[in-house]
Amino acid sequence: AQKVTQAQTEISVVEKEDVTLDCVYETRDTTYYLFWYKQPPSGELVFLIRRNSFDEQNEISGRYSWNFQKSTSSFNFTITASQVVDSAVYFCALSEAQDDYKLSFGAGTTVTVRA
Amino acid sequence: SQTIHQWPATLVQPVGSPLSLECTVEGTSNPNLYWYRQAAGRGLQLLFYSVGIGQISSEVPQNLSASRPQDRQFILSSKKLLLSDSGFYLCAWRDTPRAHEAFFGQGTRLTVV
Repeated sequence: AQKVTQAQTEISVVEKEDVTLDCVYETRDTTYYLFWYKQPPSGELVFLIRRNSFDEQNEISGRYSWNFQKSTSSFNFTITASQVVDSAVYFCALSEAQDDYKLSFGAGTTVTVRA
Repeated sequence: SQTIHQWPATLVQPVGSPLSLECTVEGTSNPNLYWYRQAAGRGLQLLFYSVGIGQISSEVPQNLSASRPQDRQFILSSKKLLLSDSGFYLCAWRDTPRAHEAFFGQGTRLTVV
């Protein structure tokens, strides 16, 4: 069963628009971690953020913000005032204590920001 | 600071040929090491991981194998490549605790023809 679902396959926006990427996860573990990674056209995955299951505090880093809601098992990512350099594939991932903390990735969302 | 090196960047191999992809990590000791594969337009699939020298865990039965001959070296191999082995292979390392984020190499794009 898919542990991480990213329902949006592709999103296209015009520069300066906000874009929100959805991530829904599934786990029975009480101890788990959630991550977001960015994969630019070069292919290397770039780590963006980690959140643990005991910390539901939302976070903002520059134009990026993350909304973690355990009640809905969601960990959504918003890019504010998008820029062309934000064009990439974004992956949400889950690691669970009961699964030796192995990273399970969603299918990814391709974001295209048009000038 | 820690760095991860993965090579080659691209590889075109005929069906039935052997494969050897290498990954090394610098600046840390006893890292947790991972091999992932990304098929075109799809997410990442964990293939192998290692928590120490000679310790390899396989996630998906397949045509590939992995080895860790040294603390910071992780090798992905195949004796005979199949067309279905084509994809983007990524090596990653993680510090202890394993709960923390993984850092990825630049990847190898393998095309089996």
